[in-house]
Amino acid sequence: EAGVAQSPRYKIIEKRQSVAFWCNPISGHATLYWYQQILGQGPKLLIQFQNNGVVDDSQLPKDRFSAERLKGVDSTLKIQPAKLEDSAVYLCASSLHPSTDTQYFGPGTRLTVL
Amino acid sequence: DQQVKQNSPSLSVQEGRISILNCDYTNSMFDYFLWYKKYPAEGPTFLISISSIKDKNEDGRFTVFLNKSAKHLSLHIVPSQPGDSAVYFCAASGGDNDMRFGAGTRLTVKP
Repeated sequence: EAGVAQSPRYKIIEKRQSVAFWCNPISGHATLYWYQQILGQGPKLLIQFQNNGVVDDSQLPKDRFSAERLKGVDSTLKIQPAKLEDSAVYLCASSLHPSTDTQYFGPGTRLTVL
Repeated sequence: DQQVKQNSPSLSVQEGRISILNCDYTNSMFDYFLWYKKYPAEGPTFLISISSIKDKNEDGRFTVFLNKSAKHLSLHIVPSQPGDSAVYFCAASGGDNDMRFGAGTRLTVKP
């Protein structure tokens, strides 16, 4: 079974530029999550999708971050414009069901904002 | 808000000995707890979980203990192997809460 795929693996941009990350979850997983992991901290949930609908985006900085999962499969997370404090690893995870189901993580995208 | 805390940023043990990683939580609505293991440049991988109806769950060398009254859980690895060297994250979910992660503990197992 293929795991969660993410691209790119690494990205370096200057502040105020835009960036987009892509995630393809495990086939059949209805729930998709985007996490931000700052160095030295645990992953922090940014947004959770159930199929193509948003379940929780309470911690997403909506003035600069956006995410979509139009067909209920793969998803993109965008930052526009980026700030220095956005430097982090962005992890995508998926699960069969929300709540207590085990989440499976992709390898992450390491973003460096200069 | 740090609802899940791992107070030890690092732990070093000798190969063959027991590794004990600790985690505390504050939200009494949490009823499902997980441990993830993370190698450098990889995403976290699921290791073991426990629901609040149990106080122990075992899978091979890995055992998770849950003390609900103390809001504390621990992961025991016996015997520890060099390949266990990684960052271990504790996570908790339940009620209306999304999954919350601790900051992680870096385990080093010395040969």
